[in-house]
Order: sequence, then C-alpha cells, then structure tokens
Amino acid sequence: AQSVTQPDIHITVSEGASLELRCNYSYGATPYLFWYVQSPGQGLQLLLKYFSGDTLVQGIKGFEAEFKRSQSSFNLRKPSVHWSDAAEYFCAVGAGSSASKIIFGSGTRLSIRP
Amino acid sequence: NAGVTQTPKFRVLKTGQSMTLLCAQDMNHEYMYWYRQDPGMGLRLIHYSVGEGTTAKGEVPDGYNVSRLKKQNFLLGLESAAPSQTSVYFCASRQGQLYTGELFFGEGSRLTVL
Repeated sequence: AQSVTQPDIHITVSEGASLELRCNYSYGATPYLFWYVQSPGQGLQLLLKYFSGDTLVQGIKGFEAEFKRSQSSFNLRKPSVHWSDAAEYFCAVGAGSSASKIIFGSGTRLSIRP
Repeated sequence: NAGVTQTPKFRVLKTGQSMTLLCAQDMNHEYMYWYRQDPGMGLRLIHYSVGEGTTAKGEVPDGYNVSRLKKQNFLLGLESAAPSQTSVYFCASRQGQLYTGELFFGEGSRLTVL
C-alpha cells in the first residue's frame, strides 16, 4: 500500500525567502505524485504533478518539485515566496495503473513572515 | 460551470442517526472519491469509484458506505453516526485511465455528530 509523509507540520518563512516543503512517499512501483494547495476556507488546487519523464516538474504560481527515486522524495520548492502563498500544502501519491487510488499526506501549513 | 457539487454543505447529527452526502459532477469524469479532512491528519481517503457501479475501499472505510449508481453521482452514507465522524468531507472527481490528471474538488460538507 502506498503512503505519504510530510514531516513538517508548520513552516514559517519570510516574504521573499526561498521555500522547500518535504514529501516522502512509499510505493513499490512507479508513483504518480502530486502537490495540492488549500487556502483558508477553500478547496484544493493542483500545483503540479509527476507521472514520468523529466524529474524536475514546473507548476503554477512559480512552484516546482523534483522527483528523487533514490530518496523516495518529491519536495516542493519556490525561489521567492509571496504573502499570498500562505496556505496548507498537501503531497499526494497515486497507485495503480492509472493512479486510481490517491492518498494524501497530512499537510504542511505555511506561514509567511512580513 | 458547476463542476463538483456537494450537498448538504452543513449538517448536525445526533449519535446513531443516519444520513447521506451527495456528490454530483457534470464533467463526465470516470473516477470519484470521498475524503475526510481532520486537523493535523490531512485528507484521508474513505472510498472511491473508478466507474459507474464500482466502488473500492480507501484508508478509512469503516462506518461508511458508498454507491455509484449513476456516473455523475457518488453517495456517501453514514448508517449510524458517531462523534468520531465529525469532520469536513470532500468529494473529488477526475478523468479516468487515459487522462491521469488532477482531482477536482467540491467545496466540502461540514458534519458535526453530537
């Protein structure tokens, strides 16, 4: 069975600083990986996804993530955060031939220091 | 553009009562999902469906039943509600096998069990 671990419950960074959110997954086959963001009181929005190919994936809002099979990781990065990036971020892994079963991590809450 | 619609959006139940949450999508998506979101635990998959007439268990299926009699609808039932089922429930849908893509979420249904 697949699983996702987001080791950081809450991170605070200064506006303009760089950001890296960690995600580790467990799955025996090639994973399908996702990052979603949830702003307060809102639903979830897809930031980016990885299925195959280039291990560095570009997403919306200036985010990127790198798939590292050897480390079972899919960390999310942004070179310079904006106050509007304050939200909760979820990593997810899909299993099966078409990633039908999608499991989410427990989330990382990002706060931005002015 | 309705997308994914959940009803009801809020509900208060007494322990032992039953209820059904309805999820409807108008995007002709094959796959549909029910998640619950609790503080510090992220989104946990309850049940999912890969097509009309099919359902499968997720991470936390106990105490819930589901049905997918029509492609556009995915119902989540609580036969005998318990306080531990107090949560925010999200329905999501996505395209199927050939389009391994993003989940589209409903706005959530907040359920309180007293």
